Amino acid sequence: GENVEQHPSTLSVQEGDSAVIKCTYSDSASNYFPWYKQELGKGPQLIIDIRSNVGEKKDQRIAVTLNKTAKHFSLHITETQPEDSAVYFCAASKGNAGNMLTFGGGTRLMVKP
Amino acid sequence: GAGVSQSPRYKVAKRGQDVALRCDPISGHVSLFWYQQALGQGPEFLTYFQNEAQLDKSGLPSDRFFAERPEGSVSTLKIQRTQQEDSAVYLCASSLVVGSNPGANVLTFGAGSRLTVL
Repeated sequence: GENVEQHPSTLSVQEGDSAVIKCTYSDSASNYFPWYKQELGKGPQLIIDIRSNVGEKKDQRIAVTLNKTAKHFSLHITETQPEDSAVYFCAASKGNAGNMLTFGGGTRLMVKP
Repeated sequence: GAGVSQSPRYKVAKRGQDVALRCDPISGHVSLFWYQQALGQGPEFLTYFQNEAQLDKSGLPSDRFFAERPEGSVSTLKIQRTQQEDSAVYLCASSLVVGSNPGANVLTFGAGSRLTVL
């Protein structure tokens, strides 16, 4: 089955700096890669996603890049703000079975004011 | 409803007790998933429903775990004879469509039910 590895497990940055989180996946059939943000006591919330026919996608301060050959994808957050502090999860899916997701282990991002 | 609703939000059970966790998906959503999230880890797949049919239960850790969605809307995850290792947050997620376009099948998660087994 699919295996998703995520690094780093914790990341501390100064407000205004950029943050980068990286993930690798094992199943070359995976074609959909969402990123979720989870705040304390809440469920994961989708922040951005990318499909395998696209190499990069950007939404304001958030961008995701995908390298299908190397089977890795990354989340980039620019101009970080304290409200960006949360746990971020990457995930991969083959788009079947209702879009079942396999998650990485998570990255705790702390943005220091 | 506006989102995925889960109840109870918190449940404390003594070892050996049975528990039932409820999920109200977004109205009209065809697909429903249960995930288990241990402390400090990512969610792990438990089971998947398409309407009332349970199409995949390969992630259920033991036969003590049982899920149902009898009318294709509300789902219940039942854990019998709870053990300490069952302590986790149980997340429910739903998506609108079934198909080959994964970008259209965005999963929306509920806030989860936190189970603590003493």
